[in-house]
Amino acid sequence: EDKVVQSPLSLVVHEGDTVTLNCSYEVTNFRSLLWYKQEKKAPTFLFMLTSSGIEKKSGRLSSILDKKELSSILNITATQTGDSAIYLCAVEGRNDMRFGAGTRLTVKP
Amino acid sequence: NAGVTQTPKFRILKIGQSMTLQCTQDMNHNYMYWYRQDPGMGLKLIYYSVGAGITDKGEVPNGYNVSRSTTEDFPLRLELAAPSQTSVYFCASSDRTGIYEQYFGPGTRLTVT
Repeated sequence: EDKVVQSPLSLVVHEGDTVTLNCSYEVTNFRSLLWYKQEKKAPTFLFMLTSSGIEKKSGRLSSILDKKELSSILNITATQTGDSAIYLCAVEGRNDMRFGAGTRLTVKP
Repeated sequence: NAGVTQTPKFRILKIGQSMTLQCTQDMNHNYMYWYRQDPGMGLKLIYYSVGAGITDKGEVPNGYNVSRSTTEDFPLRLELAAPSQTSVYFCASSDRTGIYEQYFGPGTRLTVT
């Protein structure tokens, strides 16, 4: 059965720290892996990684896809309180999307 | 651009009642999705559609039905509501010709008591 597992489930850090969030997957006919940030309501898109685009960076956030290990990491450097959110990993198979349970990140001042 | 809109925002149902959650997108996206998110959990796919007239089951379709008569609308029907359907429901759409990013609606919080 297809599954997506994220770790850790929750993380508490202080401003300025660097964090690494993990996502591993077992999905039939892998197409892409997406990272979302969810604050109070709907998820908002961060990155999409595919076989042809295994590394993405935007400001303090970056992500890498390891197709051999069937996993991805999301790095956030110099964390800020505004980074506090749930970070969701989703993996697209042939036609559907499987989400992990998310990592709840809390950044303390 | 309104993006993806959902109605209602909140709803309380009694066990056994039925209702339809509405979802509309104005981005001319072919793909549309319905997810549910239980407290502390990720999203689970209920149904999806790859275009008008075409729908398919996702991971957790039992107790739900969908239809896709137009590109813009993708309503989700709950028949005989049960407490296990208490959740936040998100509708999303994507344009498969591009980056495949899913655009999410604001969600509907449903409580079944």
